[in-house]
Amino acid sequence: QKEVEQDPGPLSVPEGAIVSLNCTYSNSAFQYFMWYRQYSRKGPELLMYTYSSGNKEDGRFTAQVDKSSKYISLFIRDSQPSDSATYLCAMSLSGTNAGKSTFGDGTTLTVKP
Amino acid sequence: DVKVTQSSRYLVKRTGEKVFLECVQDMDHENMFWYRQDPGLGLRLIYFSYDVKMKEKGDIPEGYSVSREKKERFSLILESASTNQTSMYLCASSQGGVRTEAFFGQGTRLTVV
Repeated sequence: QKEVEQDPGPLSVPEGAIVSLNCTYSNSAFQYFMWYRQYSRKGPELLMYTYSSGNKEDGRFTAQVDKSSKYISLFIRDSQPSDSATYLCAMSLSGTNAGKSTFGDGTTLTVKP
Repeated sequence: DVKVTQSSRYLVKRTGEKVFLECVQDMDHENMFWYRQDPGLGLRLIYFSYDVKMKEKGDIPEGYSVSREKKERFSLILESASTNQTSMYLCASSQGGVRTEAFFGQGTRLTVV
């Protein structure tokens, strides 16, 4: 079993919809949680970063972490065609060697105009 | 903005060739990483480095080596390229300590023929 499982998708929604992207994990030692967005033929870019349970909001994006359930989500409000991309969750341990992250396999989202 | 630059976007090499992939970051980050990304397999860590001249194996180091002679530069070497090393290669860097979010380069699409 993988340490990080991500809803596989693909996901197709109409413009303006609310999108929910989800990951579960098995290692309770993970302390830091990230979401990356990757456009076709490009490298991933960091969207959100959090290190605690609860919600973190940035514009139309909200990252939610529930450490008790080992579950993280990314919500996108008022989705736009420009949000069409692959979304990767990632998490890492605390401590000196925390830079190494474990990634989900990604969920591909298409927002149709 | 952090910039991670990979030397090539697209590369075609012959089986048996020695291949060098170069990566440079401009934010004085401690950590640097090499991943490969394949459909259905997600991001897999090849090697990472926490300091100059320091390297650690990731999940799939076989057939690869790395070099970090300067803090800003991290090179991935394919000693004898094989067709199963055809992939998207992604370099990343992160600050170190408790900051684990990674910044990625644009990727190198390597084809081994």
